Amino acid sequence: EVQLVESGGGLVKPGGSLRLSCAASGFTFSSYTMNWVRQAPGKGLEWVSSISSSSNHIYYADSLKGRFTISRDNAKNSVYLQMSSLRAEDTAVYYCARNPPFIALRSYFDYWGQGTLVTVSS
Amino acid sequence: EIVLTQSPATLSLSPGERATLSCRASQSVNSYLAWYQQKPGQAPRLLIYDVSSRATGIPARFSGSGSGTDFTLAISRLEPEDFAVYYCQQRSNWPLTFGGGTKVEIK
Repeated sequence: EVQLVESGGGLVKPGGSLRLSCAASGFTFSSYTMNWVRQAPGKGLEWVSSISSSSNHIYYADSLKGRFTISRDNAKNSVYLQMSSLRAEDTAVYYCARNPPFIALRSYFDYWGQGTLVTVSS
Repeated sequence: EIVLTQSPATLSLSPGERATLSCRASQSVNSYLAWYQQKPGQAPRLLIYDVSSRATGIPARFSGSGSGTDFTLAISRLEPEDFAVYYCQQRSNWPLTFGGGTKVEIK
């Protein structure tokens, strides 16, 4: 069974940093592109970042302006999102999501974690 | 950036009725469009990909159609568990974008 479990969310002050983790199981993690998608409270979905299976290709939403960094450790079956210079508008549930097996990079998301809430507030 | 506009924002229907949801793209996304269902407190679930292919385990009452810039998600007969928010998403271009959502509520 495919499982994605996010962790690392919490309350952080504006300008602060936070590192989210997503632990994957139930599939060959090293073969899949992984993604982060966020959802502000009561709002819609926003794609944040994607990282290819071998970390060769990385993409970010323009709105992040270099504040976020995605990475992965295939030996640990984990993907990460390092967030810095956090702003109130970054407050959201952050989901880890997997590409389907038939799409290598720019994709839909066939499995999602339960999400981790990041709250940016003083 | 490709903007996806969903309509209506809210659809009020009764169980057993047919639901028709629309997603319009600001430019062609070819056939690279998906639909998701999200219930309160849950992660989104992939329903339809590449316009009309149902994801694993999705009932046949869900169907997708369209091409280019205009797409439709149809639910043939609403079941109680279908009342939720639905999002479309394109993978034609970076950045990946979602529509604003359509809430299907019980009338």
